[in-house]
Amino acid sequence: DQQVKQNSPSLSVQEGRISILNCDYTNSMFDYFLWYKKYPAEGPTFLISISSIKDKNEDGRFTVFLNKSAKHLSLHIVPSQPGDSAVYFCAASAPLYNQGGKLIFGQGTELSVKP
Amino acid sequence: EPEVTQTPSHQVTQMGQEVILRCVPISNHLYFYWYRQILGQKVEFLVSFYNNEISEKSEIFDDQFSVERPDGSNFTLKIRSTKLEDSAMYFCASRRTGLAYEQYFGPGTRLTVT
Repeated sequence: DQQVKQNSPSLSVQEGRISILNCDYTNSMFDYFLWYKKYPAEGPTFLISISSIKDKNEDGRFTVFLNKSAKHLSLHIVPSQPGDSAVYFCAASAPLYNQGGKLIFGQGTELSVKP
Repeated sequence: EPEVTQTPSHQVTQMGQEVILRCVPISNHLYFYWYRQILGQKVEFLVSFYNNEISEKSEIFDDQFSVERPDGSNFTLKIRSTKLEDSAMYFCASRRTGLAYEQYFGPGTRLTVT
């Protein structure tokens, strides 16, 4: 079941530069998308989300872009900081009236921000 | 800031034994979830729970698994007869009602079946 895919298992960027993490999905029923950050031995931490009726959502250094026609979303982190080094998961949800809100996760991308 | 808590952080059990993983969701949340992550794999949905009943379960969540909200604060996952392949991180999550999609996760319980 590959409904949500993150094709890059890892990404390395320099501190201060932009980090771009990508995610693709196949299920047209998804109407909400979330990004989670995960450190080793911890649970996923909610970072930012976007509804399918929008194409951009911004929160401080983090911006998520959604391209519905391409079934693609991306997370931009600007500027990247060493503390951003973690695994980033993309997740998707069908409408809440359908299937109770379970999240379907991608495989994750490990971001390493080098000083 | 309210958070989801889970106990124990690490559970080691022998194959065939029963385990109970415990979670305390955020107090004003009404939707509860269990997910698991096998080492090196993606986070997988197991079950969702609302209004004291299962609202959805995955194909992983077979008859060996059960969930319960025994009181107003705890949410438990029981595995009746553990298998080696049940070894994983188990995450509890909770969500507010209404149109809030965001789920908040606990730190996880690492289950090791030997």
